[in-house]
Amino acid sequence: GESVGLHLPTLSVQEGDNSIINCAYSNSASDYFIWYKQESGKGPQFIIDIRSNMDKRQGQRVTVLLNKTVKHLSLQIAATQPGDSAVYFCAETAGDYKLSFGAGTTVTVRA
Amino acid sequence: NAGVTQTPKFQVLKTGQSMTLQCAQDMNHNSMYWYRQDPGMGLRLIYYSASEGTTDKGEVPNGYNVSRLNKREFSLRLESAAPSQTSVYFCASSGGVSRDEQFFGPGTRLTVL
Repeated sequence: GESVGLHLPTLSVQEGDNSIINCAYSNSASDYFIWYKQESGKGPQFIIDIRSNMDKRQGQRVTVLLNKTVKHLSLQIAATQPGDSAVYFCAETAGDYKLSFGAGTTVTVRA
Repeated sequence: NAGVTQTPKFQVLKTGQSMTLQCAQDMNHNSMYWYRQDPGMGLRLIYYSASEGTTDKGEVPNGYNVSRLNKREFSLRLESAAPSQTSVYFCASSGGVSRDEQFFGPGTRLTVL
């Protein structure tokens, strides 16, 4: 079936550098995308979202880019900090209340 | 506001035992969800309730039942637990200003021996 997936299961980044986490999706009907952060032992926490009528959205230190042509979205984290170490999930929905999650990328920040 | 709360935090069951996982939200959300998360995987939807009084199957409903008790509470029941149901279970809700954004509880770690 169609699903959302991440390109890399792990990412190691130096503190202060920028991080880029990628995600590919296959459901062309998806119209809403979310990035979640999950710290160890906790539930996923909303980071940023984007709707299909946009190609870029910025938050505090984070930017999400959406390329509908190749069904790809990315999460950019500026000046990565130790507190950014976590598992990051992309999720998508076609507006039917059901989110489909990718497998996640584990980000480790090196001091 | 407490957000989404789940009980218990941890549970160990023997094969064949039954139990109910409780979830409550205080954000006046219409929709509620149950997910399971297995090691190295994303969350998979078990059941959801788009609004009070309705429930629907998600991706992996077999072996589970749900009850939307009222607008606040959505419970997940395992009638006869199996080792394959060992997982971390998350409840979520949505339906605020941004209809699709889901808020998650802290999870219940369930082990079935």
